[in-house]
Amino acid sequence: AQSVTQPDIHITVSEGASLELRCNYSYGATPYLFWYVQSPGQGLQLLLKYFSGDTLVQGIKGFEAEFKRSQSSFNLRKPSVHWSDAAEYFCAVGAGSGYSTLTFGKGTMLLVSP
Amino acid sequence: DAMVIQNPRYQVTQFGKPVTLSCSQTLNHNVMYWYQQKSSQAPKLLFHYYDKDFNNEADTPDNFQSRRPNTSFCFLDIRSPGLGDAAMYLCATSTGNGGYTFGSGTRLTVV
Repeated sequence: AQSVTQPDIHITVSEGASLELRCNYSYGATPYLFWYVQSPGQGLQLLLKYFSGDTLVQGIKGFEAEFKRSQSSFNLRKPSVHWSDAAEYFCAVGAGSGYSTLTFGKGTMLLVSP
Repeated sequence: DAMVIQNPRYQVTQFGKPVTLSCSQTLNHNVMYWYQQKSSQAPKLLFHYYDKDFNNEADTPDNFQSRRPNTSFCFLDIRSPGLGDAAMYLCATSTGNGGYTFGSGTRLTVV
């Protein structure tokens, strides 16, 4: 069965500082990997996704993520955090082919300090 | 431009009173999903449809049912809501090639 681990429940970053959110996955074949962001009371917005090819993926809002098969990781990064980035971030994994269901991690709440 | 629309955004229902949440899509995607997200938790898959083929997760309570009368619409029925069913309910669609689109969710309150 597929699973996702986000080891950090909360992270606080100063505005302007760099950010890295960790995600480790478990899946027996080639995974589809996703990062979503959720503001309070809102739905999920896709930041970026990895299906195949270049292991460094660029997303919206200046985010990027790197797929490392050897470490089963898909960490999200941003070089300079803005106060508007404060939200909850979910990593998710799906099957690498055909239709499939997404399995989400428990999320990391990002707090941005002035 | 709205592609996956959930109505209503907020729903208040009484304990034990049946409630229906709706989801519609303009994308013509063949797969539709319902997720339940409780406060400060990850979204949890309840069930999904591949066209008319219904797939129920093993741990989805019998209290939850779903209908998909056509490609565009999908409904979540909660037959007897309990306090523990208060959550955000998220609808999503997929083309089957790994692209998912989520609606804005319906926040259900049970009083």
